[in-house]
Amino acid sequence: EVQLVQSGAEVKKPGESLKISCKGSGYIFTNYWIGWVRQMPGKGLEWMGVIYPGDSDTRYSPSFKGQITISADKSISSASLQWSSLKTSDTAMYFCARGGATGPFDFWGQGTMVTVSS
Amino acid sequence: QLVLTQSPSASASLGASVKLTCTLSSGHSNYAIAWHQHQPEKGPRYLMSLNNDGSHNRGDGIPDRFSGSSSGAERYLTISSLQSEDEADYYCQTWGIGIPVFGGGTKLTVL
Repeated sequence: EVQLVQSGAEVKKPGESLKISCKGSGYIFTNYWIGWVRQMPGKGLEWMGVIYPGDSDTRYSPSFKGQITISADKSISSASLQWSSLKTSDTAMYFCARGGATGPFDFWGQGTMVTVSS
Repeated sequence: QLVLTQSPSASASLGASVKLTCTLSSGHSNYAIAWHQHQPEKGPRYLMSLNNDGSHNRGDGIPDRFSGSSSGAERYLTISSLQSEDEADYYCQTWGIGIPVFGGGTKLTVL
C-alpha cells in the first residue's frame, strides 16, 4: 500500500527556520516525483515544487523559487520542505504528493499545518 | 500560458448527479488532467486521470459513481448518486509542460 506520512504540526515565530518531511512507503521511492503543495486558509491548492529522488532533479514554482528548499533523502525514502526564515504569510497547510511533473499527483500525504506567529 | 479554469461553486441535491468542468487554455486542449477531491480537515484524494479522448483511470478505491469525460478543451467530472460526503472542493490538475498546474477549484455543495 502506497503511503505518504508527513511530520506533525509546527508553531514557529517569524524569522525562524523550519524543515518538514514526507516519508514514502509501499513503492520504489526513487522512481516517482514528489511534490509539495500549499493551501493557505480559505484558498485553493498551489504547487510549490517537485523533486525526483532518483537524481534530485528539482523544479520550483516561480512563486516560491528562492523562498523554499526542497530535498530528498533516498536512504530513508523521505522528502523535505525547508524555510530559512519564516514569515507570518507562510502560515498554511502543506501537503506532499507523489507525482506531479510527468503525471498526476496520485497519492497524497495527510498534511502538515504550519503556523507562524509572533 | 497553461491555465486550468474551473467554476468556483456548484450545487446539486442528494441522490442527483452533478457535472463539474475544467477548461484547458488555448494551445493545450489535448492535455490529460487529473481530478482530486479535497474534503475539509483531510488530505486531498486523487480521483482519476482523464485523457483528451475521454478515457479515464480511477484511483485506488474510487467508486464508479465518479466518472470522467472530455470534449475539446473541456474536461468533466460527473458524480452520480450524490452523497453527503461528496460535499468537498474539487480540483483539476495537469502536468503537460513538465510541472504541475492546478485549477482554482470548485466547491461542491450537496443540498
